[in-house]
This record gives sequence, structure tokens and C-alpha cells, in this order.
Amino acid sequence: GDSVTQMEGPVTLSEEAFLTINCTYTATGYPSLFWYVQYPGEGLQLLLKATKADDKGSNKGFEATYRKETTSFHLEKGSVQVSDSAVYFCALSDLGGAGANSKLTFGKGITLSVRP
Amino acid sequence: DTAVSQTPKYLVTQMGNDKSIKCEQNLGHDTMYWYKQDSKKFLKIMFSYNNKELIINETVPNRFSPKSPDKAHLNLHINSLELGDSAVYFCASSPSERGYTFGSGTRLTVV
Repeated sequence: GDSVTQMEGPVTLSEEAFLTINCTYTATGYPSLFWYVQYPGEGLQLLLKATKADDKGSNKGFEATYRKETTSFHLEKGSVQVSDSAVYFCALSDLGGAGANSKLTFGKGITLSVRP
Repeated sequence: DTAVSQTPKYLVTQMGNDKSIKCEQNLGHDTMYWYKQDSKKFLKIMFSYNNKELIINETVPNRFSPKSPDKAHLNLHINSLELGDSAVYFCASSPSERGYTFGSGTRLTVV
């Protein structure tokens, strides 16, 4: 079945450091790929998405590119802030994220802590 | 204006009790979901409903019974609660060009 693998955490960075969080996936067909963020004590928020190969999703300074050849969707940010401290989840959806049988399959999540 | 709302936000109950969590979405989506987040923050789908019809049922104990009275509501009833049921339960809806929309979660603690 479909699966998502994220790098092991947690990750601790200083403010303004460069961030990379690795994500690889296994899926049949052509899934849509997502990054979700969970701030402390809150629910899940969509950070960015990409629906086909070579698409780049971006939001709030974060970027990720859908790489079909390496089955990857790594998250990057050039300069992290304390407010970016959260848990980040990579996820994929079969059926392009729509339709009655679609569902999200999540990676294990990684906790990012950014210190001043 | 909340797109997906869950109640209650926190639920503390004793083993053996029966409890329900309610979810409502005002996005007009046809499909709603329940996800469980365990203590290690791993998220796993439990159920999905499309327009009141059960679509996905992922090897969840039959003590868990989802009910969808209409396509805007998906409730989760849990019988005979066990310690291992302690988790955060998230409701979500789709489809959306912006991705699945999640509620803020219900933290269930069984003591």
C-alpha cells in the first residue's frame, strides 16, 4: 500500500538557519503530495501541496518540489523563525486528493524547534 | 465561520464508559473523515463517509461506530472505552483544491 517516510527527528535549529525536512513516498499511480503543520496545541493546517511531477508548492517561505524520479517531496525554508516551531507532516493522497475513495496517508511527523 | 468544527475539544472519561464526538463542516464537501493521532503523533485514518455512506473502514475495533446523519455531519461514538483509546481524534473533510480541511481535534483521555 501507499506509504510516506520522513526523516527522524526532532530537529533543533537556530533562528535564521536553513531548514530541510526529507520526505519520500511509495505509491501506485500519481498521488498528490502535501505538507501539513501542527502548531502546539492546535489542529492540522495545510502548509503546501503539489499535484503532479515537477510542481513546486510554496507558502510562508516554505517550498517543496514534487520529484517523481526520486519519489521525494522535501520541505525547505531559507531562514526559519521561532514561530515555525511545530510538528511537520508529509502526506500523500491517492486519486489526486478528490473523490469518495481518496484518503491521506501521513508520515510519522517531525518536531521542529527553533531557538532565538 | 469555522470550516470544520469538533466538539468537545477535551474529553476525560473512565474505562468502560461510552462517549461521542461530534463533527460538522460548512464547506459543502461530500466526504468526511475521522483520523486518530496517537501519543507519538502518528496520524492514521479510521473512517471516511461520502454523502452519508461509509466508504473507508480501516481495521478499527467495532466499539467505534461512526454515524453521518447528513453530509455536513460525521459523529464518532465509542463504546466500552479502553485506556488504549486515549488519543487525539481529528475530523476532516474533502475534496478541496486547497487540500483536506481538518478540525482542531478532540483530545480523549481514558482513565
